Amino acid sequence: DAMVIQNPRYQVTQFGKPVTLSCSQTLNHNVMYWYQQKSSQAPKLLFHYYDKDFNNEADTPDNFQSRRPNTSFCFLDIRSPGLGDAAMYLCATSSRGEDGQETQYFGPGTRLLVL
Amino acid sequence: RKEVEQDPGPFNVPEGATVAFNCTYSNSASQSFFWYRQDCRKEPKLLMSVYSSGNEDGRFTAQLNRASQYISLLIRDSKLSDSATYLCVVIIQGAQKLVFGQGTRLTINP
Repeated sequence: DAMVIQNPRYQVTQFGKPVTLSCSQTLNHNVMYWYQQKSSQAPKLLFHYYDKDFNNEADTPDNFQSRRPNTSFCFLDIRSPGLGDAAMYLCATSSRGEDGQETQYFGPGTRLLVL
Repeated sequence: RKEVEQDPGPFNVPEGATVAFNCTYSNSASQSFFWYRQDCRKEPKLLMSVYSSGNEDGRFTAQLNRASQYISLLIRDSKLSDSATYLCVVIIQGAQKLVFGQGTRLTINP
């Protein structure tokens, strides 16, 4: 059963045309992350939510925004996609158990192509 | 300096060989440590957590040295299916965010 779901799996957009990527989770984890991963590079954290608290990375461009309307859903909005924004966008969740151990799950990713 | 640094790779080893990856982290407030595996065009998948006492899962052994801020992963009797990119991941206390190393690409050759 899918626990972190990302839609769509593949997204094609035009240069400058806003696009929204979505992520949902069935785990009830309180932390959700958005990562950008370009070819042959490590995932780069864009921002994360701890419950409703939004945490933006210092080097995340203003072109990237996020919304988390409830625990289960999180959206990534790219206001004006550029060619350099073509990448895999990964959503992840994490939670700390009673034993203090973290568990994390990644969604399958959305591959964004900008034409 | 990057927060998490890994061996640059790529590693090309014959099937059956033992291979070791290293990772160092710069933030002493790092509290949780993991190795992830990522196949081409797929999402990262958790391979194993890394505990202070060291831990083993089948052919995989992970070690943590907090004093040296160093993590390692050892793969014994490597299989063709072990070919992937291995990512070292750290969670920094209080930040609740996953920080990835740049990954090490491993190819097991028949």
